[in-house]
Amino acid sequence: EVQLVESGGGFVQPGGSLRLSCEVSGFNFGTYAMSWVRQAPGKGLEWVSVIGGSGGGIYYGDSVMGRFTISRDNSKNTLYLQMNSLRVEDTAIYYCAKEWYSSSSGGDYFDYWGQGTLVSVSS
Amino acid sequence: SALTQPRSVSGSPGQSVAISCTGPSSDAGGSDRVAWYQQHPGKAPKFIIYDVTKRPPGVPDRFSGSKSGNTASLTISGLQAEDEADYYCCSFTGTYTFVFGTGTKVTVL
Repeated sequence: EVQLVESGGGFVQPGGSLRLSCEVSGFNFGTYAMSWVRQAPGKGLEWVSVIGGSGGGIYYGDSVMGRFTISRDNSKNTLYLQMNSLRVEDTAIYYCAKEWYSSSSGGDYFDYWGQGTLVSVSS
Repeated sequence: SALTQPRSVSGSPGQSVAISCTGPSSDAGGSDRVAWYQQHPGKAPKFIIYDVTKRPPGVPDRFSGSKSGNTASLTISGLQAEDEADYYCCSFTGTYTFVFGTGTKVTVL
């Protein structure tokens, strides 16, 4: 059974930092790209960042570029998101998501999601 | 920017509802790499459509996807109570980014 479990969320003041973790099981972690997707309270989904299976292929959404860093430790089956210079607008539930590649279209999709961890940024 | 979806749609049990997802040609409008996700309140999203029209294993066939012009659509046929949820389209772009739709709340009357 595929499982993704996020942790590390919490309350932080503007300008502060947090490190999120996502521990996975049930699949060959190092074979798949992984993403972080967030959802502000009562709002829609926003893609944050992606990292390839071997640790390359890193991309960020415009709203977090230069402030957030995605990484992974395949020996620990764990994905990370280091969040610096946090802003009030970063307040959201942060989901990690496993990517699945469609060979017919060349597209990537999120086939499994964790339950999310809440990050609250406020003074 | 986000893809445009109607804020809400509703239907009675057994009826069909359709949700549109509109964006520029670089996103949903011109892409075959469009997915749909279902999200029940307080839960994580669930993957229900990929490549515009295809269903992952285990997804009921009452969920179907299509595309016409610059608009992708999700149709739920034979609406059931458990289909009441939020639905999001998502386009995978050529620059390896993902653009989500604004989300649609489906209400079963």
